[in-house]
Amino acid sequence: DAGVIQSPRHEVTEMGQEVTLRCKPISGHDYLFWYRQTMMRGLELLIYFNNNVPIDDSGMPEDRFSAKMPNASFSTLKIQPSEPRDSAVYFCASSFHTGQKNTEAFFGQGTRLTVV
Amino acid sequence: AQTVTQSQPEMSVQEAETVTLSCTYDTSESDYYLFWYKQPPSRQMILVIRQEAYKQQNATENRFSVNFQKAAKSFSLKISDSQLGDAAMYFCAYRRAGNQFYFGTGTSLTVIP
Repeated sequence: DAGVIQSPRHEVTEMGQEVTLRCKPISGHDYLFWYRQTMMRGLELLIYFNNNVPIDDSGMPEDRFSAKMPNASFSTLKIQPSEPRDSAVYFCASSFHTGQKNTEAFFGQGTRLTVV
Repeated sequence: AQTVTQSQPEMSVQEAETVTLSCTYDTSESDYYLFWYKQPPSRQMILVIRQEAYKQQNATENRFSVNFQKAAKSFSLKISDSQLGDAAMYFCAYRRAGNQFYFGTGTSLTVIP
């Protein structure tokens, strides 16, 4: 398996523009997580899905953020409109549920978002 | 809510020496999992070691081992024979049966040649 695949690796956009981050989880994993990493706040969980259903989105900072998982192999995180304070590295991760042997989260390479 | 605390923002170690990174967590659960992740400058999050709470034996992976103290809710990582490639940010993480991961704030490890 190629691992968790995120795109793009880097994104630079102007304030007010819509940004869409994409993630392909590892095949067979039933959990998908979106994290945001900044120097100030560290690694924050934004939202996670189980079997394509959002379970907890309490970490989504505000209504400008939305996430979808239309099928088991694809998820998006959208920011509209984007603001400079959204600049961060966004990680997608996937895993089996805890009943499986490999319980760890597998992370993608991350998307570095810069909003100017 | 579960919390994971890493009280050492920065640590340093001489090459070939041993270093221990601390982690404590708060939970009322009895069934859970603990992890240490490494994040080098490339920013890739890499699993270092995993520990199941129901296992009394401490996990080991080559030069990496843990000291898991369930009653004290402590999960420290020991790196033996430190190498320059071990320099990275290290994150402790907790996962309960409810399946969400909780991460600590990280410890930045410097390896001095």
